[in-house]
Parts: sequence; C-alpha cells; structure tokens
Amino acid sequence: QSALTQPPSASGSPGQSVTISCTGTSSDIGSYNYVSWYQQHPGKAPKLMISEVSKRPSGVPDRFSGSKSGNTASLTVSGLQAEDEADYYCSSYAGSNSVLFGGGTKLTVL
Amino acid sequence: QVQLVESGGGLVKPGGSLRLSCAASGFTFSDYYMYWIRQAPGKGLEWVSYTSTSGSTIHYADSVTGRFTISRDNAKNSLYLQMNSLRADDTAVYYCARESVIRGLISAFDIWGQGTMVTVSS
Repeated sequence: QSALTQPPSASGSPGQSVTISCTGTSSDIGSYNYVSWYQQHPGKAPKLMISEVSKRPSGVPDRFSGSKSGNTASLTVSGLQAEDEADYYCSSYAGSNSVLFGGGTKLTVL
Repeated sequence: QVQLVESGGGLVKPGGSLRLSCAASGFTFSDYYMYWIRQAPGKGLEWVSYTSTSGSTIHYADSVTGRFTISRDNAKNSLYLQMNSLRADDTAVYYCARESVIRGLISAFDIWGQGTMVTVSS
C-alpha cells in the first residue's frame, strides 16, 4: 500500500482560505469514512484536527473543516491565522486492519 | 490530565533490539485501542502497529511484521513495543497514540505522547 498523496506545500495570506487535498484509492479513502487530519508544529506531536472525514474534536476551531469526494479528502482552513502555519497530515483506514498516512503538506501563512 | 509518556528510545546498532514503553494516565486505559506511529527525521508519519483494548487483536504494518511486537498491560496502564532486528530505516521518533473513540476503531488518534527517538546506526 502506498502513502496517501498530499501536495508538499500550500500557502495563503491571513484571513484567506486554503484547501489541502489528500488523494487515495478506492481501497482506502474511497471505501471508508475514516479520514482524519492532523496538525503538527515543529518539534511537537501531531494534533487531531478532523476525524471521520468532517468531525471536529472539542477545542478545534470551526475554521477547520473536512470533506470527501470519491477517493479524495480535503481539509479547508478558513480565516487563516499565523498560528495555523504547520505541517498537516491526512490519514485513512485502508482495509486489512491497516492505516495509511499522507506525506504531509507544509502550510505557510504569508 | 490525560497524557501519554513514552520512554526507552536510544541508539542501537543494526540487528539490535530495543523495548519502548508508553505510560498512560488520566483516562481508563483499558477502554481504548492503542497505536504506535513513527516519524523518520524530516519525513511523514507511518503507522506501525495497534492493539485492541484487551490485547487480543493486534496488527502490524508490513515494514515491521515479524520484527516488532506490541503488547499492553492494562493493570499498569502501559503500552509496549518490542523491536528486534532493527535496521537503519527504523530510525524515527516513535509515538504512542490513543484511538479517539472509546472501545471503538475509527483509526483517529486524539491523544499522542511526546515521542521517543530511536536511532539505528553502527
């Protein structure tokens, strides 16, 4: 199984919206609604931002939203803030009791 | 508060062994599936293994099958990863992480430890 595909970088100005894609296959993202997104600041552990495609854990700002269409999931960050600058990773249950992660996207707030 | 604390990382020679531990606190450990996830320096995240609440169901990534063994001791609120036949490409920060739903499995990880570094080098 190959890693999920994410763009290596994304950027936006404060207040703007940015969307990060995560492309898998019909065996992972396309088959299950178990897509999650994580935010990771340098030297820190990842933080769960979205689970089950679009559910926001308690404490995560509603500026963060998730969606899925076919084999591709997306994370949208609205109203960009400086503290949103971080690496973002998607993950998906991939069947056969396995989990796949994306390669990560570095989000830069200009 | 709810937290996970890993220990046991270090420098080991190729072919060597290491045992990682993860101490849980602030929640009912036995109610949650638990995972090991690793991150090579400058690279992305990679799922390594998971165990069910009782430890009766265990699965591994192909890259570690036959070399790594996950286990848990619910009486001690602890998760372990025994790593044998270590290779250079096992070099990574190893995180333990908690499944986000109680007694469920949706492969979302809501609590992470701080990570422990494992370096495999001669």
